[in-house]
Amino acid sequence: GQQVMQIPQYQHVQEGEDFTTYCNSSTTLSNIQWYKQRPGGHPVFLIQLVKSGEVKKQKRLTFQFGEAKKNSSLHITATQTTDVGTYFCAGGTNDYKLSFGAGTTVTVRA
Amino acid sequence: NAGVTQTPKFRVLKTGQSMTLLCAQDMNHEYMYWYRQDPGMGLRLIHYSVGEGTTAKGEVPDGYNVSRLKKQNFLLGLESAAPSQTSVYFCASSYSPETQYFGPGTRLLVL
Repeated sequence: GQQVMQIPQYQHVQEGEDFTTYCNSSTTLSNIQWYKQRPGGHPVFLIQLVKSGEVKKQKRLTFQFGEAKKNSSLHITATQTTDVGTYFCAGGTNDYKLSFGAGTTVTVRA
Repeated sequence: NAGVTQTPKFRVLKTGQSMTLLCAQDMNHEYMYWYRQDPGMGLRLIHYSVGEGTTAKGEVPDGYNVSRLKKQNFLLGLESAAPSQTSVYFCASSYSPETQYFGPGTRLLVL
């Protein structure tokens, strides 16, 4: 079955620094979504990418979908304490389901 | 709109006991999902439904049953709870197989 791998599992960042989390699928995806889960909370939808090579930005967050539609990345610039949480990618393949990666848990040093 | 609600928020069971988790959504969504979340393993799909009266197995369906008798409700049942089912359970719903809206979760401890 489809597998979505996400690295790194943990990211410890100094406030103000940049970081990137990566997502790789074993199969070609129809779309990729990103979710954020704050500590003790539930996953919240951030964005969806559909097109090959697509890049979308949300303020300090930049999301990219690979040309082969099998990988994606989330880059955060100038990390803030509000960025703390776990970021999940989720791959869709036109079968009503999403396959979630294991997530990248981000902690921020002030 | 309340969005997606889950009942109960927290439950402790003894091995072998049964229980039902309730998920309700007021967004008229067709698609509903049950996930479990365990440390380091992300969200794993247990069962899902693409409409009232339909259900299908996800990635980890063993030990669970579901029902979708009404469009707004999706029930997850554990017939005979096991310690391996200790987890946080999230329900989600969506209008189409895209953006999923998650409930607040149910923390289940099986002793």
